[in-house]
Amino acid sequence: NAGVTQTPKFRILKIGQSMTLQCTQDMNHNYMYWYRQDPGMGLKLIYYSVGAGITDKGEVPNGYNVSRSTTEDFPLRLELAAPSQTSVYFCASSFPLSTSGGRADTQYFGPGTRLTVL
Amino acid sequence: TQLLEQSPQFLSIQEGENLTVYCNSSSVFSSLQWYRQEPGEGPVLLVTVVTGGEVKKLKRLTFQFGDARKDSSLHITAAQPGDTGLYLCRAGNEKLTFGTGTRLTIIP
Repeated sequence: NAGVTQTPKFRILKIGQSMTLQCTQDMNHNYMYWYRQDPGMGLKLIYYSVGAGITDKGEVPNGYNVSRSTTEDFPLRLELAAPSQTSVYFCASSFPLSTSGGRADTQYFGPGTRLTVL
Repeated sequence: TQLLEQSPQFLSIQEGENLTVYCNSSSVFSSLQWYRQEPGEGPVLLVTVVTGGEVKKLKRLTFQFGDARKDSSLHITAAQPGDTGLYLCRAGNEKLTFGTGTRLTIIP
């Protein structure tokens, strides 16, 4: 199993450009998440999905869009890049809480995408 | 929105010393997790605690869930350079959120 993979690893964008961050998992997890991590800070949830065709906003969704057409893939789209979106983006996946026996789900993270907007 | 405050925000100590970091909230949680994130990588789960007062040990790491299930501590004995990283707590009930993190540096 490759786990959670993300591409690209690094990207530099100009203000106003758009791009898609790719995320794929091969663990057959229902839940997938996108987080951003600003320098020296914790993780903030952007969007999440509980299954194919279902997405929901997290804490900081503005400026981003997601889709979930398959169980494996959960791409994150930036339409009009802004300097405030400079960050490291992490994708994660997990089994739902009910499958975890009511305990907190274990999140498996990808290696991250470092994005700079100039 | 439940807020998870972690302290200290930064900690730098010599190899061999002991340390404790904290995760606090005003909310009661059904479970709490600790993750460690090494530079350039995503976080990795260390432990999940679910019972008030619960203590779990992972080699030199000891995790405790507060009796009231509002806080947790992580104690490291005889810290080693390999313990360097960002320690994140994660807690909640239906929706779980990450804390602000403690960045730990162990100096050889």
